[in-house]
Amino acid sequence: GAGVSQSPSNKVTEKGKDVELRCDPISGHTALYWYRQRLGQGLEFLIYFQGNSAPDKSGLPSDRFSAERTGESVSTLTIQRTQQEDSAVYLCASTLRLNEQFFGPGTRLTVL
Amino acid sequence: GIQVEQSPPDLILQEGANSTLRCNFSDSVNNLQWFHQNPWGQLINLFYIPSGTKQNGRLSATTVATERYSLLYISSSQTTDSGVYFCAALGGNSGGSNYKLTFGKGTLLTVNP
Repeated sequence: GAGVSQSPSNKVTEKGKDVELRCDPISGHTALYWYRQRLGQGLEFLIYFQGNSAPDKSGLPSDRFSAERTGESVSTLTIQRTQQEDSAVYLCASTLRLNEQFFGPGTRLTVL
Repeated sequence: GIQVEQSPPDLILQEGANSTLRCNFSDSVNNLQWFHQNPWGQLINLFYIPSGTKQNGRLSATTVATERYSLLYISSSQTTDSGVYFCAALGGNSGGSNYKLTFGKGTLLTVNP
């Protein structure tokens, strides 16, 4: 596609439920990133993929968070047993050879 | 890792005014980007500028890598320029986190009609 796409655009869930967030990067981009942005804050790095491998998972806040990437393309961020503090916008970005990063529109997650 | 600081944190302008936003970073960079986050949360790429000067319409940016700062200039501001402007840097030193962008806290720009 022409840009990075994410789905769903909005997700409202109840505390304790699991959620899956999807990212489709720009075709051919080898690197993919997930960031989180809490209300009124800057972006917080979560995880980085080079191809299908994740050399840096250091930003994942807890073991309830996991992510995978398949076919050097789509990535899924999974949050298990969601908590209210997980409410945020989750942004995905992709880049070719660690150059300019391009961001998707984000998924706004609300945990009630 | 690299530290990124932006100033000012807030800026209020009258339509038509000019402004300069500043980004200081603590280490050498391979990548320096400026973004505009619109009211719907979308991050719009403004400039990819690890060094030098670029211009795009009413916006221009300059990065002086040796002095570790970047400036974003907005001329003849319009109400649609309102939003948060982020600077983000990717550190240039090997062995560190030289693959992920570190974001500043942003400058909230409000342009009044």
